[in-house]
Amino acid sequence: ETGVTQSPTHLIKTRGQQVTLRCSSQSGHNTVSWYQQALGQGPQFIFQYYREEENGRGNFPPRFSGLQFPNYSSELNVNALELDDSALYLCASSLRGLPSTDTQYFGPGTRLTVL
Amino acid sequence: GENVEQHPSTLSVQEGDSAVIKCTYSDSASNYFPWYKQELGKRPQLIIDIRSNVGEKKDQRIAVTLNKTAKHFSLHITETQPEDSAVYFCAAQSGGYQKVTFGTGTKLQVIP
Repeated sequence: ETGVTQSPTHLIKTRGQQVTLRCSSQSGHNTVSWYQQALGQGPQFIFQYYREEENGRGNFPPRFSGLQFPNYSSELNVNALELDDSALYLCASSLRGLPSTDTQYFGPGTRLTVL
Repeated sequence: GENVEQHPSTLSVQEGDSAVIKCTYSDSASNYFPWYKQELGKRPQLIIDIRSNVGEKKDQRIAVTLNKTAKHFSLHITETQPEDSAVYFCAAQSGGYQKVTFGTGTKLQVIP
């Protein structure tokens, strides 16, 4: 596998709650990207962190935020959960950040269900 | 921003035949085009990629072509096998915008 891990594997929350998803990047990779994949759709880019700084963002509202730590771990936080936030959340690590074209290695994802 | 369209959405081929998936992109600044294979319940896995300074790249049964003028790129799988059955995604990375845009996916079914 890729060496990228995510936790938890599944999560159920109710509308309005907050959630934190975690990712552990491949050792030595300074970049982590987060994606939202709704059922039957392609992954949607949320944002990327490079050396603990946000390095690019997709069309997601500010209630989606992130953190990256020096030990190659990172978090995706979502506040005020909405039903449409139900999706598979994927993280991907790479050596360098955008605009480099380094290969991204995906984690197995966290399946979030919002009721 | 970038917009990536992918066709077809589903594709059925007989084992041993070829499969072709096509994508178009809108941002002329896009410079990197990876293709991912995603099996049911699993993570996307990179199968091949191409950069904007190259027109074609091949890796065994898989090839990708890029036409920068027309802003389209294609995935070609020859001698398909049942284990090629999966959803395939194209993606485009823009050098101008700091983001990666995926296509909507093609569900490939290889019939034994």
